[in-house]
Amino acid sequence: DAGVTQSPTHLIKTRGQHVTLRCSPISGHKSVSWYQQVLGQGPQFIFQYYEKEERGRGNFPDRFSARQFPNYSSELNVNALLLGDSALYLCASSPWNNEQFFGPGTRLTVL
Amino acid sequence: AQSVTQLGSHVSVSEGALVLLRCNYSSSVPPYLFWYVQYPNQGLQLLLKYTSAATLVKGINGFEAEFKKSETSFHLTKPSAHMSDAAEYFCAVSSDGSGNTGKLIFGQGTTLQVKP
Repeated sequence: DAGVTQSPTHLIKTRGQHVTLRCSPISGHKSVSWYQQVLGQGPQFIFQYYEKEERGRGNFPDRFSARQFPNYSSELNVNALLLGDSALYLCASSPWNNEQFFGPGTRLTVL
Repeated sequence: AQSVTQLGSHVSVSEGALVLLRCNYSSSVPPYLFWYVQYPNQGLQLLLKYTSAATLVKGINGFEAEFKKSETSFHLTKPSAHMSDAAEYFCAVSSDGSGNTGKLIFGQGTTLQVKP
């Protein structure tokens, strides 16, 4: 079975630009969560979507948004990029009440 | 609010020695607890999980962890370290008591170095 996939693998943007990151969950998983991992730190929770509804939001500004599609894939959008948004963005999928499976991440560099 | 503290950002052991990575948590509800491993430039892989069943949890690659409510701890151990165990290890707690595991709070991570 395919695991969680994320695209793109790497991305370079400049300050003020917009970025869209994509995630495809494991087949049958209806929950998708997004995390930001800054170099040298643990992942920080950004969003959770379950059955296409937002079920949780971490302490991130409104520049961050996300959505989940009918096939349970998800997009994370970040507007007005800042240097501090440079990080590894991880997507994880799960059933509601079991462990999360993580994708390989998207490395975002903001110049 | 839930939180996780990993004691020691860097642990170094010799190959064949005991591995002990420390994790303490804070939770106002019965927690679900997880240990993940991250190899360079990769995502996170689940080692083991505690979800209110047996307090001694066995995971992959010979790792295990014991849930101690009185000490609010969930330390990760492995009897004999291998070179391939060198990686970053994260302890995490679920952030509510509903059984939902989609919102994890992670610790800062512990880098495990294994010396030959």
